[in-house]
Amino acid sequence: GAVVSQHPSWVICKSGTSVKIECRSLDFQATTMFWYRQFPKQSLMLMATSNEGSKATYEQGVEKDKFLINHASLTLSTLTVTSAHPEDSSFYICSAGMTGSSYNEQFFGPGTRLTVL
Amino acid sequence: AQSVTQLDSQVPVFEEAPVELRCNYSSSVSVYLFWYVQYPNQGLQLLLKYLSGSTLVKGINGFEAEFNKSQTSFHLRKPSVHISDTAEYFCAVIGMNYGGSQGNLIFGKGTKLSVKP
Repeated sequence: GAVVSQHPSWVICKSGTSVKIECRSLDFQATTMFWYRQFPKQSLMLMATSNEGSKATYEQGVEKDKFLINHASLTLSTLTVTSAHPEDSSFYICSAGMTGSSYNEQFFGPGTRLTVL
Repeated sequence: AQSVTQLDSQVPVFEEAPVELRCNYSSSVSVYLFWYVQYPNQGLQLLLKYLSGSTLVKGINGFEAEFNKSQTSFHLRKPSVHISDTAEYFCAVIGMNYGGSQGNLIFGKGTKLSVKP
């Protein structure tokens, strides 16, 4: 149980184009989804938190107009990187939160590797 | 705010040897503590977590960790490693804010464990 999928697993795009990444909780409903960015050989940095049906909360320094997050249902959140540039190349990981008895556990997707040429 | 320090960026070890990956944290509030493993080009998998109770927690794949509040540490140990344990390991904390709300998951920079034959 508690499986999270991401699609695509990797994508290569030209500079200036937009890329959409999907994050799905396959066997549970996630009221909260999280988007992280991981640079090579570095840790995960939280980009934003999204709750179903409401606007995402972005971390300081993350451009909300560049990284559009939509959480339209309890099982799907999307991250769109608009007008991508080479510096946006990174590994993007989503997680879905499940409310538990003592804390809200996060289950992580397998990640999406974005390369912008 | 919370922070996590993983003192070793890389730990090389021979197969069947014991290993300890160190993690220290700082927080002004109570915390939940986690260790995650990340295999190349994959998402994060939860190894173990400390929420409350016994300070020695056992996780998957033979790993265990001990919460030491006085030393603000949560070191990860395994008595005998395998080649398949080669991966990146992340320590993480969640701060429990006053009033019971839960903070974000804060990650350390990771420790790359390399197990050699």
